[in-house]
Amino acid sequence: GQQLNQSPQSMFIQEGEDVSMNCTSSSIFNTWLWYKQDPGEGPVLLIALYKAGELTSNGRLTAQFGITRKDSFLNISASIPSDVGIYFCAGLIYNFNKFYFGSGTKLNVKP
Amino acid sequence: GAVVSQHPSWVICKSGTSVKIECRSLDFQATTMFWYRQFPKQSLMLMATSNEGSKATYEQGVEKDKFLINHASLTLSTLTVTSAHPEDSSFYICSARGRWNQPQHFGDGTRLSIL
Repeated sequence: GQQLNQSPQSMFIQEGEDVSMNCTSSSIFNTWLWYKQDPGEGPVLLIALYKAGELTSNGRLTAQFGITRKDSFLNISASIPSDVGIYFCAGLIYNFNKFYFGSGTKLNVKP
Repeated sequence: GAVVSQHPSWVICKSGTSVKIECRSLDFQATTMFWYRQFPKQSLMLMATSNEGSKATYEQGVEKDKFLINHASLTLSTLTVTSAHPEDSSFYICSARGRWNQPQHFGDGTRLSIL
């Protein structure tokens, strides 16, 4: 199957710092999604990207659809303790019936 | 926004019991539903994809006779873990999607513990 390489695997940062994580692949994707999962809950959609080069914000979160369509990144500015969780990227390839998920980035924020 | 309801959220039962998990899309028609399994500190592992009214497509290594999936309507899919054993203990999450390129929306998951 298609492989998404998500990095970093985990991050430990201080409250107020900015965070950046990304997903890369050798395949071309038509849609990129970013989710956040809190412990014991299902992932919640943060941002959806549909066009190469697209830059979309959701509050302190900003995500971009890479121009090559093989990558995407998520930035979180001025992190706060409630940003703690696991962030997943997901990519959709045209004609495939499912999204492929990255392995997740575990974010820890120290107050 | 799109809401997916998953029930129950927690199940504890004896080995050999069959367990049914329901997944409902509350405010949209889910053409496709997905069932995932997640082990602690790991990513989502897709088990199967189901389209309304047709048989589910299982990922390699997932036993279709063990994990029965029914997608009887555009708002409901069920996963039945038949004759569950301790190794089936896991966090099961469903998700639902409208059109093919629309985002998937997830339920809150079901924690299954088999004693």
